[in-house]
Amino acid sequence: NAGVTQTPKFRILKIGQSMTLQCTQDMNHNYMYWYRQDPGMGLKLIYYSVGAGITDKGEVPNGYNVSRSTTEDFPLRLELAAPSQTSVYFCASSPRPGQGSNQPQHFGDGTRLSIL
Amino acid sequence: LAKTTQPISMDSYEGQEVNITCSHNNIATNDYITWYQQFPSQGPRFIIQGYKTKVTNEVASLFIPADRKSSTLSLPRVSLSDTAVYYCLVGVIASGGGADGLTFGKGTHLIIQP
Repeated sequence: NAGVTQTPKFRILKIGQSMTLQCTQDMNHNYMYWYRQDPGMGLKLIYYSVGAGITDKGEVPNGYNVSRSTTEDFPLRLELAAPSQTSVYFCASSPRPGQGSNQPQHFGDGTRLSIL
Repeated sequence: LAKTTQPISMDSYEGQEVNITCSHNNIATNDYITWYQQFPSQGPRFIIQGYKTKVTNEVASLFIPADRKSSTLSLPRVSLSDTAVYYCLVGVIASGGGADGLTFGKGTHLIIQP
């Protein structure tokens, strides 16, 4: 039972470099999410997707891009890394909510990213 | 967007019952109340979710008064392994798209002592 898998677990980038954080889930969940968590803080939503080909901005989307070409994968791209993007990034997924109900999210173990 | 308020930290001892209260005065009619637990270097883990009254599962209970402006997570007979950060989320993931209330606050750091 892999659940939500994030790679890499750790990465150090130089200012201005780009990279893609990978996220894949094997639970056939329609909804996927990207969060960032700064030290001592809660999680803030960056982007989310309700299905393949559909993405939408969350609370803090600036400096990031996403794509959702398959149900399983939801990569997050940083085009021009900045020190303010040093954080721990979490990917999550959830089933499509039913009528009059809500579905909890399943999280990966995160990618710790440092930008120097 | 319903805003939540929780205590920053709480202490308790092994074997005690712990109650963590979350205030959400602006909760909307469609909002659900969801609690997550997070250990260091791990992603949050779902504990329990409710809409009104009381919900119980194998690890916790969730009490929601009639006005739904607050909720209380109850952890029975805690152990050292329950030391973690607990987050209260209020919102809804709409079936037609839209994800309101998916911002985690700072949470409550629960420390369990022997």
